[in-house]
Amino acid sequence: EVQLVQSGTEVKKPGESLKISCKASGYSFTNYWIGWVRQMPGKGLEWMTMIYPGDADTRYNPSFEGQVTISADKSISTAYLQWSSLQVSDTAMYYCARHMLHEGMALPDYWGQGTLVTVSS
Amino acid sequence: EIVLTQSPGTLSLSPGEGATLSCRASQSVSGNYLAWYQQKPGQTPRLLIYGASSRATGIPDRFSGSGSGTDFTLTISRLEPEDFAVYYCQQYGTSPRTFGQGTKVEIK
Repeated sequence: EVQLVQSGTEVKKPGESLKISCKASGYSFTNYWIGWVRQMPGKGLEWMTMIYPGDADTRYNPSFEGQVTISADKSISTAYLQWSSLQVSDTAMYYCARHMLHEGMALPDYWGQGTLVTVSS
Repeated sequence: EIVLTQSPGTLSLSPGEGATLSCRASQSVSGNYLAWYQQKPGQTPRLLIYGASSRATGIPDRFSGSGSGTDFTLTISRLEPEDFAVYYCQQYGTSPRTFGQGTKVEIK
């Protein structure tokens, strides 16, 4: 059974750094893209970024490039999303999602439970 | 980037009725790489349809997807109580992947 278990709720101040995690199990971690999707309070879904743990290849939505960094540790089947300096506007639920391949194109299929990040002074 | 516009914003229907949700793209979706997701309040999104018309594993056959190019449709043939939720379309053929703003299907 595919499972993605994310780290817990975070409450941070503007300017602080943060790294959230997503531990995968039930499939071969190095053979699937895994990524992150943002959902701001009461809003829709926004695709942010993904990484292929097998070779650390990454893709970013230009709207998020430079704002966040995705990484993965294949020895522990865990993906990460990090910020060096949080802003109030980063307040959101962040979902990790395994990406399946359909005709070579990656799309989210299995999702983690979400990590709520609140940034407030 | 490709902008996906979903309509209507809210659909008020009764259990047993059919639902038709629309997703229109600002430009042609490459390869018809269009997916639909369901999200219930406080829950994780669930993949329903990919490739515009292929059902994901375990998805009931009352859910069907159709369309090509810039116009796509999700049809729910007979609404069950558990189908009342928000539905999102997503294109994954062109970078960056983008989602529509969602259609809420609510109980009338």
